[in-house]
Amino acid sequence: SQQGEEDPQALSIQEGENATMNCSYKTSINNLQWYRQNSGRGLVHLILIRSNEREKHSGRLRVTLDTSKKSSSLLITASRAADTASYFCATDRKAAGNKLTFGGGTRVLVKP
Amino acid sequence: DGGITQSPKYLFRKEGQNVTLSCEQNLNHDAMYWYRQDPGQGLRLIYYSQIVNDFQKGDIAEGYSVSREKKESFPLTVTSAQKNPTAFYLCASRTTVGLAGGPYNEQFFGPGTRLTVL
Repeated sequence: SQQGEEDPQALSIQEGENATMNCSYKTSINNLQWYRQNSGRGLVHLILIRSNEREKHSGRLRVTLDTSKKSSSLLITASRAADTASYFCATDRKAAGNKLTFGGGTRVLVKP
Repeated sequence: DGGITQSPKYLFRKEGQNVTLSCEQNLNHDAMYWYRQDPGQGLRLIYYSQIVNDFQKGDIAEGYSVSREKKESFPLTVTSAQKNPTAFYLCASRTTVGLAGGPYNEQFFGPGTRLTVL
């Protein structure tokens, strides 16, 4: 299986609600990144958290990292219809050189 | 989609044909990557190149080939040896971002090419 595994695979919420998705990984990392993909498009970098950090904020995004559990979460607060997209975690592993390993993604639908 | 272009957006191929997907970047990035994405799935690495005239296999290189003759260009050829080539193909380039706490690698993606085998 892939280094990054996300859950849930899909999430449907009402506009204004919070969306939380999780990512688990297996080996030591330098950092973990979250990317967003609109349907049929490329990925866009959202936020990064380093292995020595526990929490990061960027606008309505909050990312946590628990290296003891090898897991991360992405929280989108006060969701909007425009947040509808797939969200992927990507790990920059210590043993992987300059490659990122992407998880399977969480598809988020925000209903107006 | 930044300064990375992929063409064509849609591509149809008959079984047994080779096809080449284009990826061009004007970001002056040294490293470039090709990924395959199947419906509802994550990205799987096909090939990557960290510098001109050099490239390495990723996790699913069989049935694919690449070249890196110019910094700006990293074309991917899907050969007839690829048994299930229908997928969405994404190209990316990488830069190193300097931040307090140390640099990190960030990838920039093109808009993708959707390949369908008829």
